[in-house]
Amino acid sequence: QLQLQESGPGLVTASETLSLTCTLSSDSITSRPFYWAWIRQPPGKGLEWIGLVYFDGETNTSPSLRSRVSISVDTSKKTISLRVTSVTAADTGVYYCARAQREIDAFDIWGRGILVTVSS
Amino acid sequence: QSVLTQPPSVSAAPGQKVTISCSGSSSNIENKYVSWYQQLPGTAPKLLIYENDKRPSGIPDRFSGSKSGTSATLGITGLQTGDGADYFCGTWDTSLDAGVFGGGTKLTVL
Repeated sequence: QLQLQESGPGLVTASETLSLTCTLSSDSITSRPFYWAWIRQPPGKGLEWIGLVYFDGETNTSPSLRSRVSISVDTSKKTISLRVTSVTAADTGVYYCARAQREIDAFDIWGRGILVTVSS
Repeated sequence: QSVLTQPPSVSAAPGQKVTISCSGSSSNIENKYVSWYQQLPGTAPKLLIYENDKRPSGIPDRFSGSKSGTSATLGITGLQTGDGADYFCGTWDTSLDAGVFGGGTKLTVL
């Protein structure tokens, strides 16, 4: 069973860049119908879709975050990366990576999530 | 403000049935598949329903999904205390060209 594991610093200073990595437990990162997404959840709030990446590097990001977010894939390392620049307290939350399938868009596998706190 | 609208909370007694609504528009729910997720405290969301009404392997048939026009509904029958959790709907929005979620509904099993 494929597993996803998020990693990165749990504390980021305001105005700096948040960088996270999602590592896959198997080689399925190149499975064609699937894409890999980042989703976050502020404390006590709902889910927010951040963006996605396909194994070939094709990406799509939320319009509200597009100017600050970049997502990339490294198939040799079986990792998906997220960068968020110029962070503020509003970027605090649990960040999840998850898998979904094109046109179905249901997230069937999730990582455990990583809490990122932005401090001033 | 979420693109998809869910009631903040619902409650019912053990053994009863509950429904959770998810309201959207023609740019999302009406023309795209809806999925539903259960999130227990301190854990990652878990897929309950995909493609509007299909259950992944291992999800009991007490959970059901339906869609009509710009709205979708999650139904849970034979409520158990362990069903107490937050529930989220999700889909794709063609106007935003992005994934979207509802704000979540907290289910309390009294």
